[in-house]
Amino acid sequence: AQTVTQSQPEMSVQEAETVTLSCTYDTSESDYYLFWYKQPPSRQMILVIRQEAYKQQNATENRFSVNFQKAAKSFSLKISDSQLGDAAMYFCAYRSGGGSNYKLTFGKGTLLTVNP
Amino acid sequence: DTEVTQTPKHLVMGMTNKKSLKCEQHMGHRAMYWYKQKAKKPPELMFVYSYEKLSINESVPSRFSPECPNSSLLNLHLHALQPEDSALYLCASSQDLRGAWNEQFFGPGTRLTVL
Repeated sequence: AQTVTQSQPEMSVQEAETVTLSCTYDTSESDYYLFWYKQPPSRQMILVIRQEAYKQQNATENRFSVNFQKAAKSFSLKISDSQLGDAAMYFCAYRSGGGSNYKLTFGKGTLLTVNP
Repeated sequence: DTEVTQTPKHLVMGMTNKKSLKCEQHMGHRAMYWYKQKAKKPPELMFVYSYEKLSINESVPSRFSPECPNSSLLNLHLHALQPEDSALYLCASSQDLRGAWNEQFFGPGTRLTVL
């Protein structure tokens, strides 16, 4: 079974600074997808960024980028120019690429605080 | 429209009550999901519907009864719940159960309190 580990229960960053959230995973599969979800205090879970395992190039979405190290099974999220609205719980998630790939395996989450 | 809506936002019920949660999406998605989320924990998958048929039941107690009346609507019927069932209940949808990305879109959730 796949597991996802987020080793930082809480992180804080100053507004306009950069922060990196860590995520490692364990799998024996070669085809899979990785996601970062954001859940603000208003509760709605939003997809921030995603990465296909077979793509070497790191995904980027505006101020959000990932550092995907497949051999190390690491998938960290970098938030640049942090804004107050980035404050949220961030979940790293894994999904298999094969078969009925419905199941998201989540990490325990990292609570990000952004200080003005 | 990339929105999943859920009603009600908040629900308080007694252990003998019967209530229902509702989820709706108009993205043409054919897979819909129910999750349970405790405070500061990740969501836990409960049920998966595919093409209006129950595909996955993650060993959820029978006091939770899902229903998919049509491709846009998903209900969760609640009966004889326990206080430990108090949680945020999230609905999600995706295009289907297969496919390269199969991104799940989440609703805002229903905050359930069982007294």
